Amino acid sequence: AQKVTQAQTEISVVEKEDVTLDCVYETRDTTYYLFWYKQPPSGELVFLIRRNSFDEQNEISGRYSWNFQKSTSSFNFTITASQVVDSAVYFCALSEALRDSNYQLIWGAGTKLIIKP
Amino acid sequence: IAGITQAPTSQILAAGRRMTLRCTQDMRHNAMYWYRQDLGLGLRLIHYSNTAGTTGKGEVPDGYSVSRANTDDFPLTLASAVPSQTSVYFCASSATALIQNSPLHFGNGTRLTVT
Repeated sequence: AQKVTQAQTEISVVEKEDVTLDCVYETRDTTYYLFWYKQPPSGELVFLIRRNSFDEQNEISGRYSWNFQKSTSSFNFTITASQVVDSAVYFCALSEALRDSNYQLIWGAGTKLIIKP
Repeated sequence: IAGITQAPTSQILAAGRRMTLRCTQDMRHNAMYWYRQDLGLGLRLIHYSNTAGTTGKGEVPDGYSVSRANTDDFPLTLASAVPSQTSVYFCASSATALIQNSPLHFGNGTRLTVT
């Protein structure tokens, strides 16, 4: 069965520290997609990144970077020089093919990130 | 501002009552989804619709029903609420059902408490 594990329930760091959020997945699909979403205290969910299973290049966007490794089934997310505004719950998700060519996302339980000033 | 509107923002509901959560999007997205978010479980898909007139069951559909009479609206109905349906409900949409190509856009959620 498809599964996403975010083992870190909560992480607390001091501002300007680097922090890595772990995501490990299980899938039977040969082609799949991985996602990260951010849920700030206001509650809405915000899309951060999508990565397909054929592209193992790491990606960097400002202070955010993602490390995708198929060999370990991991898609980790690193925030460099963290800021208080990064405080949020972060979700990792995996696409799953359903019947009739539909897809759904399988979500991890989320990691609550607290950045202290 | 284009996006997804959910109503109500929060609701306290007596067990056994019927309740419809409303969701409207103005992005002309084909696909829409209802998720519930529970602490420690992440988001779980309740029902989805790939296009107006069609719906499908997600991971946890029991006790819920949906309809998709037009592109913009995707209401979620609890026919007879039970306390285990206490949760935060998120409506989402994507341009197509191929969510790998069109990321999900989410509403702000409805916090439902069933007593």
